[in-house]
Amino acid sequence: QKEVEQDPGPLSVPEGAIVSLNCTYSNSAFQYFMWYRQYSRKGPELLMYTYSSGNKEDGRFTAQVDKSSKYISLFIRDSQPSDSATYLCAMNRGSTLGRLYFGRGTQLTVWP
Amino acid sequence: GAGVSQSPSNKVTEKGKDVELRCDPISGHTALYWYRQSLGQGLEFLIYFQGNSAPDKSGLPSDRFSAERTGGSVSTLTIQRTQQEDSAVYLCASSPSLQETQYFGPGTRLLVL
Repeated sequence: QKEVEQDPGPLSVPEGAIVSLNCTYSNSAFQYFMWYRQYSRKGPELLMYTYSSGNKEDGRFTAQVDKSSKYISLFIRDSQPSDSATYLCAMNRGSTLGRLYFGRGTQLTVWP
Repeated sequence: GAGVSQSPSNKVTEKGKDVELRCDPISGHTALYWYRQSLGQGLEFLIYFQGNSAPDKSGLPSDRFSAERTGGSVSTLTIQRTQQEDSAVYLCASSPSLQETQYFGPGTRLLVL
């Protein structure tokens, strides 16, 4: 079993929809949680970064972390065709160990 | 400023050949990471370097894989005697330190025939 599980989708929604992306994890030592966006044939780019449990909002994006359930989410409001990409969750233990543990990524398509 | 750059962008090689992949991190970043992304899979950690410390090689899948970082800047990932299962996108990332945001390059797409 992978330490980070993510439904690969694909997920297809109409423009303007609210999108919910989720990951679960098994290692309770994870403290830092990230969402990366990856466009086709590009490297991942950091979208959201949260520490421990709670919510963080940035424009149309909201990241939620529930450490008690080992569950993280990314919500995209008013989705746009430009949001079409693969979304990867990532996390690490936040010590001196800098390696990230990634989910498989969810492929999202927002159609006009 | 310039981001992380990787070369070549694409590499096609024959089974059994050696390949070298290059990564130029963002200037001043002390931490450098290599990941591998296979079709339909998430990023798999390979190795990271932090300053002058010994690298963490715990993610290298076999002894055919090695990496070095010269002068605390450019890094080269070498795969010896390539196998078809080595076909993947190899991504490099750098960060100002181990505990800060990792910035990724565009990757090298390796195809082993």
